[in-house]
Order: sequence, then structure tokens, then C-alpha cells
Amino acid sequence: GEDVEQSLFLSVREGDSSVINCTYTDSSSTYLYWYKQEPGAGLQLLTYIFSNMDMKQDQRLTVLLNKKDKHLSLRIADTQTGDSAIYFCAESMETGGFKTIFGAGTRLFVKA
Amino acid sequence: EAGVVQSPRYKIIEKKQPVAFWCNPISGHNTLYWYRQNLGQGPELLIRYENEEAVDDSQLPKDRFSAERLKGVDSTLKIQPAELGDSAVYLCASSREEVTEAFFGQGTRLTVV
Repeated sequence: GEDVEQSLFLSVREGDSSVINCTYTDSSSTYLYWYKQEPGAGLQLLTYIFSNMDMKQDQRLTVLLNKKDKHLSLRIADTQTGDSAIYFCAESMETGGFKTIFGAGTRLFVKA
Repeated sequence: EAGVVQSPRYKIIEKKQPVAFWCNPISGHNTLYWYRQNLGQGPELLIRYENEEAVDDSQLPKDRFSAERLKGVDSTLKIQPAELGDSAVYLCASSREEVTEAFFGQGTRLTVV
């Protein structure tokens, strides 16, 4: 079945690294995404990774993909107060016309 | 480049009343999505359009929800009649093609009382 699971909350101190984890169930997933949602706003795509990749780095963001365990993580280096938001993991699979399934989101709190 | 524009931002209606949401996607984006986001949850797809054709409406409650995308540009989502459980944020998103990055609007927060 299709399911994306994330922990609900994460609290870090400013300057530390944040690691947000996600597990998914569909091994046929083609694309895996990380979105950020700030209060009262829509979702902003942060980064995505193809299922044939293990890692992707983009400035402070590092995405790691473990296909065997169906585990995706997002690491934010030098976390800032402006990073406080809800982070959604999502998977998109080719079967069914690239339907995208979102997790429930991880709320990141950054303490000054 | 203007982003995805949705209106209204907020809507409060009584149950059993009709309501409509409007979305103007980014110019040139052929794919348009309507999502519903319940409090504390991720977005759930309601309907996806490729140009003016609804290619995935399997999650749209067709007894009370309807959508249209005339001319393959703007889209409206309607609920008639609204129920208390329809209270949520309704998000519109668009992308150039179905496999590329989707850009989201700010959403319409619906409260049914």
C-alpha cells in the first residue's frame, strides 16, 4: 500500500544540525521530495531525489536515500530560526500517473 | 513570474451552503492540482488536470465536490452542500508537466460552521 510516515516533532538549538526522517512503503517510488510549509503558506519544494540516487546535497540541505530500508532523511546544517516550519516528505510513483503521496509532516522547532 | 494565485484566502460558511474556490496557475503550466489539507496532516490529492482534462479524480467526493478547468488555465473547485468535515485548507498547485516541480498557492482556509 501507499504510506509515508514521519515523526511529528523535532526540536533543535540554533546552529545545530537537524535531521528529519521519513519512511515510505512503495518500492516503485520514482521521486522523493521534501517540502517546507511555513504558517499560513503553501508548500515550498526544498529538494527532491530520484530513486536511483543515494544522496543529494544542496547548500545546507543533504538528502539521504536508503532504498533497501525505504528510508529518506533530510539534514539541515547550521539550523536557523527561519528554518522553523513543517517539513513534508512525499513520494511519487510512476504507476498511477505519478500520484504524489505526502506524509503528515514534521514540525521543526529551532530554539535560539 | 507570478506564483499560483488562489482566492479567497479565507472562507467561513454555514453547513449545507455552497462554496467555490478559484485558482490561477503559473502561466505555461499544463498540470494543475487541487489538494485538501486537514489540520495536522499532509495534503491529499483531490483532482489533477492535464490541460483541461481531469486525469485523476479518484479521490474527489463526487457527490458534493466538482471541479472544472475551462480552457486549460484557471480552475474552480466547488462544494455543494458543504459539511462540517469539509473544514480544511484547499491548496492549488501547478507544474509544467506532471513529473516536474509543483508550485503551490497559499491555499484557501475553509471553515464550515
